[in-house]
Amino acid sequence: GAGVSQSPSNKVTEKGKDVELRCDPISGHTALYWYRQSLGQGLEFLIYFQGNSAPDKSGLPSDRFSAERTGGSVSTLTIQRTQQEDSAVYLCASSPWGGNYGYTFGSGTRLTVV
Amino acid sequence: KNEVEQSPQNLTAQEGEFITINCSYSVGISALHWLQQHPGGGIVSLFMLSSGKKKHGRLIATINIQEKHSSLHITASHPRDSAVYICAVDRGGSEKLVFGKGTKLTVNP
Repeated sequence: GAGVSQSPSNKVTEKGKDVELRCDPISGHTALYWYRQSLGQGLEFLIYFQGNSAPDKSGLPSDRFSAERTGGSVSTLTIQRTQQEDSAVYLCASSPWGGNYGYTFGSGTRLTVV
Repeated sequence: KNEVEQSPQNLTAQEGEFITINCSYSVGISALHWLQQHPGGGIVSLFMLSSGKKKHGRLIATINIQEKHSSLHITASHPRDSAVYICAVDRGGSEKLVFGKGTKLTVNP
């Protein structure tokens, strides 16, 4: 596609439910990144994919968070048993090969856990 | 201490003014990025720098590798420039962007 597409744009969920956030990167971009921006906080790295592999998942805050990427394209970030502190904007970015080639960001998914 | 520090945190200007936003970092980097985030959350990549200076329209970004410092300048500022400007660095050997906390710019007409 022309840009990085994220869905849904907004998600309200009850505490304890599981949620799935989707990222569709620019076609041909091998590198894909997930970031989180909590209210009043800066952006923080969650996970990096190169193709379908995740060489760096060091930013995932707990084992309730997982992500996968299939076909070297679409990625899904899953949060199990959501907590109120998971409320944030989740941003995805892609890059042709890696960060030194620049990033294109999606518009984000605003997750609210009530 | 954060690895990436931005100043000022908030900046209010009148239309037409020259704007400078500063970014200092304390780690080795392979590149530095300036990003723009409008209300609603979408992020646009403005510049990627590893040395020297880049210009795009009214925006100019500079970097001094020895001093570990970068500046983003906006000439002839306009209300549509109102946004949060974020500095981020690619640490050498890592694909993990490290972000500053952002500078919220408001340009009044």
